[in-house]
Amino acid sequence: GDSVTQMEGPVTLSEEAFLTINCTYTATGYPSLFWYVQYPGEGLQLLLKATKADDKGSNKGFEATYRKETTSFHLEKGSVQVSDSAVYFCALSERDTGRRALTFGSGTRLQVQP
Amino acid sequence: EAGVTQFPSHSVIEKGQTVTLRCDPISGHDNLYWYRRVMGKEIKFLLHFVKESKQDESGMPNNRFLAERTGGTYSTLKVQPAELEDSGVYFCASSRLENYGYTFGSGTRLTVV
Repeated sequence: GDSVTQMEGPVTLSEEAFLTINCTYTATGYPSLFWYVQYPGEGLQLLLKATKADDKGSNKGFEATYRKETTSFHLEKGSVQVSDSAVYFCALSERDTGRRALTFGSGTRLQVQP
Repeated sequence: EAGVTQFPSHSVIEKGQTVTLRCDPISGHDNLYWYRRVMGKEIKFLLHFVKESKQDESGMPNNRFLAERTGGTYSTLKVQPAELEDSGVYFCASSRLENYGYTFGSGTRLTVV
């Protein structure tokens, strides 16, 4: 079945540092890929997405590129802020089957220190 | 528009008791989903409603879990009887019929002691 693997946290960075959170996936079809973020006390929010190979999703300074050859969708940000402290989830959904369920990774907690 | 609302936000119950979680989706969203995150692990899909019908319930762990969506509006997820391993955060999400984009609620943190 489908699966998503992302790096374990917590990831602790200083403000303005460069961020990479690795995500790789296994899927039977040709999935759409997502990054969700959960800020303290809030629900999951879609951060960015990509639906086909080589697409780059971007939002709020975060970027991730759909790499079909390496089955990866790593999240990056050039300069993190304290307000980016949250839990980040990589996820996929299968488009070919029409099944709408998301398959998530285990989440990576990011802590940004001033 | 109002977001997806879940309540209670927290629930602590004893093993063997019954708990009912509620989700109010965004008005007009025919798709409603339940997910849960157990013990800091990955978030796992439980089931998917389209209006009042169960479209996909392949993620429901066992028959102690019962989900309903009467009238295609709000949904409830009942756990009866609760076991220790049911502890976790239960998320609800909704979307329009033609849209794959989800809006998630803040979740219900369930602790079974």
